[in-house]
Amino acid sequence: SQTIHQWPATLVQPVGSPLSLECTVEGTSNPNLYWYRQAAGRGLQLLFYSVGIGQISSEVPQNLSASRPQDRQFILSSKKLLLSDSGFYLCAWSVLGGFYEQYFGPGTRLTVT
Amino acid sequence: GDSVTQMEGPVTLSEEAFLTINCTYTATGYPSLFWYVQYPGEGLQLLLKATKADDKGSNKGFEATYRKETTSFHLEKGSVQVSDSAVYFCALSEGYKLSFGAGTTVTVRA
Repeated sequence: SQTIHQWPATLVQPVGSPLSLECTVEGTSNPNLYWYRQAAGRGLQLLFYSVGIGQISSEVPQNLSASRPQDRQFILSSKKLLLSDSGFYLCAWSVLGGFYEQYFGPGTRLTVT
Repeated sequence: GDSVTQMEGPVTLSEEAFLTINCTYTATGYPSLFWYVQYPGEGLQLLLKATKADDKGSNKGFEATYRKETTSFHLEKGSVQVSDSAVYFCALSEGYKLSFGAGTTVTVRA
C-alpha cells in the first residue's frame, strides 16, 4: 500500500532563517506531488505541484520554492522565512492518469517567530 | 476557473443527529467530486468520491450524490457521533489539481 511521509512534524524557526521541509511517498511510481499551506482557521492554498522529476509548477509567487530531486521526493524550501510563512504545510500525491484524488501526508506545523 | 462553494460553519450537533453539509460547484467540464475530512492536527483524509453524474459516494456512514442538474454534492450522515467532529472539505478535480471549498467545522456534542 502507498504511504506518504512528511518531516519534521513541527518546526519553530526565527524570521530570516532558511527552511527545508521534506515529503516522500512509498508504494507508487511517477506520482503527481503537491505542496499546500493551510493558515490557521482557513482553507488550503496550493503552493506547488509537480508531474515529474525536475518539473515544478508554482501557483502563487512568494517566498518559497520547491524541488523534486527524485521521483518520490518533494522538498519545500525558503532562503529567508517571513512571519507570514507560518502555517500548516501539507504534502499530497495523486496517481498519474487517475481521477486525481489526492492523498495527504500528516503535515508540518511551522511557526515563524 | 472551476470553483467550489460550501456552507459556512461552524455546525454544532448533538450525537445521533442528522448532518448535511451543502456543497455546490462551478465547472466548465465534468469534474470528479470529493469530500475530505480533517481531524485536529492531522492531514486531510479522502472520505468519499464520485466521478460522474448520479454517482453516489459513500464511506463510514457518509453519503454524497453527484447532481449535475443542480451542480451539487451535498454530504449527509444519518446519525453522527462525537468522533465525527472535524473539518470537512468539498473539492473538485481541475486537471492535475483540486479546487477546495473553504471547509466546514463540525462539532458533535455527547
